[in-house]
Amino acid sequence: GAVVSQHPSWVICKSGTSVKIECRSLDFQATTMFWYRQFPKQSLMLMATSNEGSKATYEQGVEKDKFLINHASLTLSTLTVTSAHPEDSSFYICSATKGQGATYEQYFGPGTRLTVT
Amino acid sequence: GDSVTQMEGPVTLSEEAFLTINCTYTATGYPSLFWYVQYPGEGLQLLLKATKADDKGSNKGFEATYRKETTSFHLEKGSVQVSDSAVYFCALRGSNYKLTFGKGTLLTVNP
Repeated sequence: GAVVSQHPSWVICKSGTSVKIECRSLDFQATTMFWYRQFPKQSLMLMATSNEGSKATYEQGVEKDKFLINHASLTLSTLTVTSAHPEDSSFYICSATKGQGATYEQYFGPGTRLTVT
Repeated sequence: GDSVTQMEGPVTLSEEAFLTINCTYTATGYPSLFWYVQYPGEGLQLLLKATKADDKGSNKGFEATYRKETTSFHLEKGSVQVSDSAVYFCALRGSNYKLTFGKGTLLTVNP
């Protein structure tokens, strides 16, 4: 149990277009979903925290108008990179949480590699 | 704020060698500590965790002990295999439930 999927696993798009990445918790309802960005050979940088039915909370320095997050249900969150540019090329990873307190766990998706040409 | 410092790699070992990857942290309160592993082209998988001081997390032959006095959570394995080649991330989760990651350590195990 506790599987998180992402779609697509990789995408190539042209500069100026928008790309949507989906994150789904397949066998549980996620309390919260997080979106991370990972540059080559670097650590994960938290972009935003997403709760179902409410606006995402963005980390400092992350452009909310560029990285649109929608958390439509307890099993689905989407990240849309709007007007993508080559510098947005990165590995995007989502995670979904389950439980509270002592039972709180965070599960990661396999990631989506975005390349903007 | 919270921070995690782990030894920089890359680390290259021969099969059956002993592995240690150092990790120290700075946090307020009593964080939970984690080691995650990332295989090439994949997302993160939880390797082990410890939620309070002196706890030892273990999985697949890997171990790490939560040392509050030294604010450390070093990862060890007595005999590494080629299949252990991956990037290892130390992380902490503070009271805000957000994970703070170290920069990762690339481990390569040669046959």
